[in-house]
Amino acid sequence: DTGVSQDPRHKITKRGQNVTFRCDPISEHNRLYWYRQTLGQGPEFLTYFQNEAQLEKSRLLSDRFSAERPKGSFSTLEIQRTEQGDSAMYLCASSSWGEQYFGPGTRLTVT
Amino acid sequence: SQQGEEDPQALSIQEGENATMNCSYKTSINNLQWYRQNSGRGLVHLILIRSNEREKHSGRLRVTLDTSKKSSSLLITASRAADTASYFCATDAGGETSGSRLTFGEGTQLTVNP
Repeated sequence: DTGVSQDPRHKITKRGQNVTFRCDPISEHNRLYWYRQTLGQGPEFLTYFQNEAQLEKSRLLSDRFSAERPKGSFSTLEIQRTEQGDSAMYLCASSSWGEQYFGPGTRLTVT
Repeated sequence: SQQGEEDPQALSIQEGENATMNCSYKTSINNLQWYRQNSGRGLVHLILIRSNEREKHSGRLRVTLDTSKKSSSLLITASRAADTASYFCATDAGGETSGSRLTFGEGTQLTVNP
C-alpha cells in the first residue's frame, strides 16, 4: 500500500505565475483534504472533498485558488496569479473516517 | 484560525526521560488527534482519542483527554533521539463538520538529546 503522494515536492515560481499541485490519496479513501502550513505554524485547513464533491472551503481559499477532484480519485490544487504570501507547504490528506493520513507536501516558493 | 494551543512551545530533554505535551482547545469536539512532523516533512498520525474516551495508549505513547477542561496531553515515555520532532494536536469539531476539517494547534517542538 502506498500512502498519500503529492507532486511536485518543491515548486519555485515567479510572482504572477499559475501553479498546479497534484495529490493522489490512499486508494480506498473517499475523503480528501488540502491544508496549508507556514513556517512555525500548524497546518490550516483549505478545502475538503468527499468523493468528487467539494463539501467545504475555508475563507483562506481566495478566488485565486481552485481545487478539483474529478472522478473522486486524485485531486489538483491550482493557484492563479501567485503572490509572495502564497509561499508555504501545501499538504494533502485522505481518510475514510477519523484519522487523516498526510502526504509529504509540496513546498511552494514564490519569488 | 488555530483552535488550540500547545504547551510548551518547545521542550528539550535527555534520552530516556519522559516528555509531556499539553493541548487546549476551545469548542466541543468529536475527536482529538496527535500528529508528529519531522523537520520540513509531512505529518505522521500518532493517535486518535474520541470525545467519550479519557485515556488511550499506543506503544510508548499515552494520551489523555479531559473534555470538561477542553484539554489533552501526550506523554512519550523513555524518549529516544528519533522522537525529536514537532508534535501537533488537531481537533475534529463534530456536528455538521465532523469528518471534515481538522483544526491544528501551533505545535510543540521536542528535542531529545542523546
